[in-house]
Amino acid sequence: GIQVEQSPPDLILQEGANSTLRCNFSDSVNNLQWFHQNPWGQLINLFYIPSGTKQNGRLSATTVATERYSLLYISSSQTTDSGVYFCAAVDRGSTLGRLYFGRGTQLTVWP
Amino acid sequence: AAGVIQSPRHLIKEKRETATLKCYPIPRHDTVYWYQQGPGQDPQFLISFYEKMQSDKGSIPDRFSAQQFSDYHSELNMSSLELGDSALYFCASSQTGQATGNTIYFGEGSWLTVV
Repeated sequence: GIQVEQSPPDLILQEGANSTLRCNFSDSVNNLQWFHQNPWGQLINLFYIPSGTKQNGRLSATTVATERYSLLYISSSQTTDSGVYFCAAVDRGSTLGRLYFGRGTQLTVWP
Repeated sequence: AAGVIQSPRHLIKEKRETATLKCYPIPRHDTVYWYQQGPGQDPQFLISFYEKMQSDKGSIPDRFSAQQFSDYHSELNMSSLELGDSALYFCASSQTGQATGNTIYFGEGSWLTVV
């Protein structure tokens, strides 16, 4: 299956700071999603972004499919942004929809 | 908007017991997925169903089985439970062939603790 690598593994920020999380994937994809897992374990959909750029409030994401990476930008971070951010992808050759997850980036935002 | 519904949210079982998790996908979604997330790990794919037929299989133990029913809800049955089965189990659903993209939506998860 497709390999998904995320960096950095851990990130500690002060409230108000900006950050960039990176996701590299080993093969072409037909689905790439970013999730936020909150301290209660819920996986929150942030973006479906197999290519291009999307923005949602303080969050935005860009996927450059030809170079096999995606970036998640968090601006003006808040303590509620803390948690684990996962990138997950579906192999382009697959019609079955199995998502392969990266190991995640643990984000801690201090007040 | 309706989301993926999982039950129970929390479950405590003893070793060698059996547990059943239920999942109700988003209406009109035709594909259901099950994932297992161990402590400190990323979610791992177990099994999926498309239109009530098993469509893909991952690292699901032989002690586990799953099915999707005529109303599209799915159940994950886990027998002879082991301590290592303690994890957060997610159900997810999607609508294949959707023009706007095949976004996969996750439920809130079921916490299973085996003691």
